[in-house]
Amino acid sequence: EAGVVQSPRYKIIEKKQPVAFWCNPISGHNTLYWYLQNLGQGPELLIRYENEEAVDDSQLPKDRFSAERLKGVDSTLKIQPAELGDSAVYLCASSLGSGVNTEAFFGQGTRLTVV
Amino acid sequence: DAKTTQPPSMDCAEGRAANLPCNHSTISGNEYVYWYRQIHSQGPQYIIHGLKNNETNEMASLIITEDRKSSTLILPHATLRDTAVYYCIVRVATGIQGAQKLVFGQGTRLTINP
Repeated sequence: EAGVVQSPRYKIIEKKQPVAFWCNPISGHNTLYWYLQNLGQGPELLIRYENEEAVDDSQLPKDRFSAERLKGVDSTLKIQPAELGDSAVYLCASSLGSGVNTEAFFGQGTRLTVV
Repeated sequence: DAKTTQPPSMDCAEGRAANLPCNHSTISGNEYVYWYRQIHSQGPQYIIHGLKNNETNEMASLIITEDRKSSTLILPHATLRDTAVYYCIVRVATGIQGAQKLVFGQGTRLTINP
């Protein structure tokens, strides 16, 4: 069975340009997470979806970041406009529910470089 | 939030057991301890989790102290492919729909030496 699939794997853009990342979670997983990982740091949660509803987006910088999960399956994370400080790895994860006894599975991430 | 403390780095010889410690002295009674690892240029990989009993699976063993204030991840026969950053995480209640989220620290960079 395929794991969490993310694309693109790498992206280089100029500052002020828009960028979008795509995530396909494991089939049947109703919970989807987007994490941000800066170099040398652990991942930080940006947003969590339960099906198509964003139930925790408190860490998402809403002035430039947006996300959607139409039909409760695939998800897209967008940045517009990108800034130099947005250079990082963007990780998507999914799980069967979000209870305390549920493991999350991560994709390989999208490495964004803003120049 | 129940936070964790891990050594920033450790070394272990190939074939030996790697024991990675983690302190979580403020853990609450219903919070689980999770371990993930992240190999270079990959996403985090789930290893094991537990509440209060020791746990073992095909990858590792998790030993949790009786007071639950610390735990140790054991890789019984480390190989070069076990070189990675290992994260000890206490699953934190978000207060939103009673759900939990993973809060990562900086982890332990484990290097397996030939």
